[in-house]
Amino acid sequence: TQLLEQSPQFLSIQEGENLTVYCNSSSVFSSLQWYRQEPGEGPVLLVTVVTGGEVKKLKRLTFQFGDARKDSSLHITAAQPGDTGLYLCAGVAVDNTDKLIFGTGTRLQVFP
Amino acid sequence: DSGVTQTPKHLITATGQRVTLRCSPRSGDLSVYWYQQSLDQGLQFLIQYYNGEERAKGNILERFSAQQFPDLHSELNLSSLELGDSALYFCASNRGRVNSPLHFGNGTRLTVT
Repeated sequence: TQLLEQSPQFLSIQEGENLTVYCNSSSVFSSLQWYRQEPGEGPVLLVTVVTGGEVKKLKRLTFQFGDARKDSSLHITAAQPGDTGLYLCAGVAVDNTDKLIFGTGTRLQVFP
Repeated sequence: DSGVTQTPKHLITATGQRVTLRCSPRSGDLSVYWYQQSLDQGLQFLIQYYNGEERAKGNILERFSAQQFPDLHSELNLSSLELGDSALYFCASNRGRVNSPLHFGNGTRLTVT
C-alpha cells in the first residue's frame, strides 16, 4: 500500500511556465520532506514542512503543508531547465512512526 | 557531496548469484537506511540500522539481509538474485531520528542478467 501518492507522475513544460506538484495521503504526517533527484545521483533534501498550513519558500519554489497534515504541494514559478529532475515527497505517518515513506515521485522536464 | 559513500557504483551479475553492497554514512550519523529504486516502483524502504542495531524493517525480501558494523558502515547482502532485483540501491544516513532529513549516497546500480 502506497501511503503517499504524487501527481502528476510526469510533467513536461517549457522554460518560464509555472507548475504545481501534489503529494496526497489518507494518513496524517508529523512532517513532510521534499527531495529532488537528478539522474545518476541520490535524492537531495529541498525542504521540511512541519506545521499544518505552513508555507516555505526556496527561491522560485513554494512548499505548502496542508492544514490537516495529510497533503503537501510544491509550486515552481518560472521553471528553468535546471529544475529538471525527479521530485519526491517523504514523511513519517503518525500511525507508522518507525518508517520514512517516499511518495511515488513526479518526473519534471523543463525544455529551454 | 552528501558525505555518504556507496560502493560499487555499478554491479552486473547473473541470476542465482550473491552480491554485497557497501555504505559509509556521513561523519557523525548513527543511522543508516537502505532503499531500492526501480523504474516502476519509486523508492522502497528496505531496512534501517541505528548504531549497529536494526531499528525498522520495510518490504525487505528474505533473500536480502543487512548489517551495520561498529565503525557504522553498513552492508546490504542480496542472494539468490533474480532478474527482478535489478534496480538502484540507495543508502542514506542521518543522526537517528526517523523524520530527520536523509543524506543519500549516489547509489549502486545492480543489473542481474
